[in-house]
Amino acid sequence: EVQLVESGGGLVQPGGSLRLSCAASGFTFSSYWMHWVRQAPGKGLVWVSRINSDGSSTSYADSVKGRFTISRDNAKNTLYLQMNSLRAEDTAVYYCTSSTSWGQGTLVTVSS
Amino acid sequence: QSALTQPPSASGSPGQSVTISCTGTSSDVGGYNYVSWYQQHPGKAPKLMIYEVSKRPSGVPDRFSGSKSGNTASLTVSGLQAEDEADYYCCSYAGSNRVFGGGTKLTVL
Repeated sequence: EVQLVESGGGLVQPGGSLRLSCAASGFTFSSYWMHWVRQAPGKGLVWVSRINSDGSSTSYADSVKGRFTISRDNAKNTLYLQMNSLRAEDTAVYYCTSSTSWGQGTLVTVSS
Repeated sequence: QSALTQPPSASGSPGQSVTISCTGTSSDVGGYNYVSWYQQHPGKAPKLMIYEVSKRPSGVPDRFSGSKSGNTASLTVSGLQAEDEADYYCCSYAGSNRVFGGGTKLTVL
C-alpha cells in the first residue's frame, strides 16, 4: 500500500523556520518526481515546489522562492521542505504528493 | 503563475451529469496534455480522479471523464451520486512548475 506521511508542522513565529518531512513507502520512491502542495484554511490547493527523481532539479512557486528549499533522500525514502523566513501567509496544511498519491498533510501555523 | 480559472460552484441532481471547466493559457493547459483533476472531501487529502487530460486511475468510476479543447479542460461527472459531492481541482503542467485551479464545489441536490 502506498503511504506518504508528513511530519514537522507546528506553530512558529513570523521570521522563523521549520523543516517538514514526508516518509514514503509502498512504491519506488526514487523513481518519482515529488511535490509539496499547500492549502490555507478554507482555501484551495496551491502548488509550492517540486523535485525530480534524483534530486538534481527543483522548482518553486514565486511566493516561496528564496525562502523554501525542497530536497530528498532516496536512501531514506524521505522528502523534505525547509521553510525559512516564514510569514503569516504561509499558514496552511502542507501536503506531499507524487501527483498520484497524497499524504494526510501537516499543519503549519505562522503566528506571534 | 496565475491560478487556472474554475467556476466556484456547480450542482446537479442524482443521476444527472455535470461538467466543470478549467481555463488556463497556452503556457499551461493549452501547451501540455498534462491536466489532472482531484477530488477533495472536507478534511481529507485530495484524490486523483483524472490524469493526462482523460485517463482514469484504477478504481475511479467511469462516471468520471476528462477532456480538453484549446486552453480549457473539462471534467464531466455522469450519473451523479451523493458521494460525488466534494471540491474538485484541476492541475496543469506549466513548464517546470504546476498550477492549480481555484477549485469548484460540486453540490448534489
